[in-house]
Amino acid sequence: GAVVSQHPSRVICKSGTSVKIECRSLDFQATTMFWYRQFPKQSLMLMATSNEGSKATYEQGVEKDKFLINHASLTLSTLTVTSAHPEDSSFYICSASWDTPNTEAFFGQGTRLTVV
Amino acid sequence: DAKTTQPNSMESNEEEPVHLPCNHSTISGTDYIHWYRQLPSQGPEYVIHGLTSNVNNRMASLAIAEDRKSSTLILHRATLRDAAVYYCILRVNAGGTSYGKLTFGQGTILTVHP
Repeated sequence: GAVVSQHPSRVICKSGTSVKIECRSLDFQATTMFWYRQFPKQSLMLMATSNEGSKATYEQGVEKDKFLINHASLTLSTLTVTSAHPEDSSFYICSASWDTPNTEAFFGQGTRLTVV
Repeated sequence: DAKTTQPNSMESNEEEPVHLPCNHSTISGTDYIHWYRQLPSQGPEYVIHGLTSNVNNRMASLAIAEDRKSSTLILHRATLRDAAVYYCILRVNAGGTSYGKLTFGQGTILTVHP
């Protein structure tokens, strides 16, 4: 099946700096990708929908100026956490799928962000 | 979004079958039932999906009730590697790019004992 790859798998950054997370669909063209965030012992929460060639759509309560999403090609979406703070420490996961409900969604392996 | 309800946790012994239930009483006629699982510190992994008929693949079986208001994921012989959080999700047929947008509930934590 298709593979979605995230990089890096873990990152530690200082408070106030920015961190970029990459999500690549390795063998199919993804016009849409999704970014999730997961806090310890909680479920995944959708943050935003990344649309190739257009602006991302953010879920309610997610700051678009803090979590910058760029989907410049059909195989790459990036999430940049700007001016990171300790409360942004979380597990970030991207996914991609074809635009039909009769197919599986593919998930990246996740990125563990720790802000110190 | 259509909602699913799962038990918080279940336990099984290794090499025994496991039946993970899911209720989705508000499912609409065109919603697909998807199951994913998540191992610790990993992204979710697809397990199986179906619409009306029961489905089998190399990982599991999916039994769907006739009224589609519930389903059961069946692991025929649990192994220690099957210990994970299992999510039952309705993939809503809302059109356009919303297909990939999955709403995760709390899932069922499956513990497998050796």
